[in-house]
Amino acid sequence: QQPVQSPQAVILREGEDAVINCSSSKALYSVHWYRQKHGEAPVFLMILLKGGEQKGHDKISASFNEKKQQSSLYLTASQLSYSGTYFCDINNSGNTPLVFGKGTRLSVIA
Amino acid sequence: NAGVTQTPKFRVLKTGQSMTLLCAQDMNHEYMYWYRQDPGMGLRLIHYSVGEGTTAKGEVPDGYNVSRLKKQNFLLGLESAAPSQTSVYFCASSQGVVSPLHFGNGTRLTVT
Repeated sequence: QQPVQSPQAVILREGEDAVINCSSSKALYSVHWYRQKHGEAPVFLMILLKGGEQKGHDKISASFNEKKQQSSLYLTASQLSYSGTYFCDINNSGNTPLVFGKGTRLSVIA
Repeated sequence: NAGVTQTPKFRVLKTGQSMTLLCAQDMNHEYMYWYRQDPGMGLRLIHYSVGEGTTAKGEVPDGYNVSRLKKQNFLLGLESAAPSQTSVYFCASSQGVVSPLHFGNGTRLTVT
């Protein structure tokens, strides 16, 4: 079942922070986060597995909340290069393909 | 490193025509996938394969067929193209079902 991402779109000024949420109606086994720039393929950012808590990648980090069946992506001190569409991609059982959310469009302006 | 290579990059078809998209990966990955991406819909899984000689249906398989005769190649076929199949198609591969996906650069298909 497709995860729900929120917000659908967000506009930030350089240096501001943002949080993108990814919610599932079923228990989560794993969550991937990807970023896609316009006209390009999605690029893998990070993976969170059941039992894990938080991971970081430069100024981008993510958390995994099993009770809430939710993952959140945190972007701090945003840069122009952070602009793009962010997708979460979830797995509920560990043996079925991942399902993508509809994406969150992030625009960072100077 | 080539990674995942898709051909062609662009294609225009008339309704009813057929075509095959080719995906090749050089990372020895077991899993391969075909997605379609439409505005506001995210990436939707068409078909996937968990190894050479295997295929399985994804979320939106109707109107498409696939084959994985060799581990490194995954073909997506449209037997009778329809305007609703106008989309950007991405191939991806991964080592395991929860491993990160490596994407090709996409194929933009227009059916008139």
